[in-house]
Amino acid sequence: GEQVEQLPSILRVQEGSSASINCTYENSASNYFPWYKQEPGENPKLIIDIRSNMERKQTQGLIVLLDKKAKRFSLHITDTQPGDSAMYFCAASSGSWQLIFGSGTQLTVMP
Amino acid sequence: DPKIIQKPKYLVAVTGSEKILICEQYLGHNAMYWYRQSAKKPLEFMFSYSYQKLMDNQTASSRFQPQSSKKNHLDLQITALKPDDSATYFCASSQPGTGGLERLFFGHGTKLSVL
Repeated sequence: GEQVEQLPSILRVQEGSSASINCTYENSASNYFPWYKQEPGENPKLIIDIRSNMERKQTQGLIVLLDKKAKRFSLHITDTQPGDSAMYFCAASSGSWQLIFGSGTQLTVMP
Repeated sequence: DPKIIQKPKYLVAVTGSEKILICEQYLGHNAMYWYRQSAKKPLEFMFSYSYQKLMDNQTASSRFQPQSSKKNHLDLQITALKPDDSATYFCASSQPGTGGLERLFFGHGTKLSVL
C-alpha cells in the first residue's frame, strides 16, 4: 500500500535551536498534508497543515514546506523549547477519505 | 471538555471474546473515522464514514465492524479478539470540504489489551 516515509525517527536538539523533520509521499494525487504532535498517553493534535496549492505555510514558530515535484514536505520548528518535546507525525491524503501517516519522529529538546 | 468522547478509556479482553468501542463526537462534523496505533504501525487508517455511510475501508479482517446509529456516533465492534489486536484505537472526525480531506480531530483513544 501507499507509504509516507518520515525521517529522522529520533531528533535531539538544543533549546533555542531549530528542528527539521522530512517526509516523502508516493501518491502524486495527494493534496493535503497535516502535521500532528502527540505527547505520551495523549491523542495526536493537529499543529499545522498545508494544501497542495501552497508551497509554504507558517504559524507560531512552525514552518511547513511542500515540494510537489519531489513529493516531499517538511516541518521546521524554530526556537525550540522543552515543551516542543513530543512525537511528531506527518501525513498525506490518499483519496478523499484517509490519511497515510509517517512512522513518527521523537523530538527531544534539551535545556 | 473533550468534543470527541471515546469509551472506555482502557479495555482488557481475553482472546476470542468480542468488544465494542464507543465513539461520539460533538463537533458537528459529518465524517468520522477509526485509526489504530500500535508499536508496529504508528497510526493506521481503518475506516471512514460520512453521513453514516462507509466511504473507505483499509481493514482486511471482517472481525472489525463499524456501527453508526447516528451521524455523530461511530462505534467499532471487534469479534474473535486476538493478542495482535492490542493497540490504541482512535476515533476521529472532520468536516469534509469540496477540496477533499479536511482537518481531522482525534479523540483520546481506547487502549485495548488482549490477553
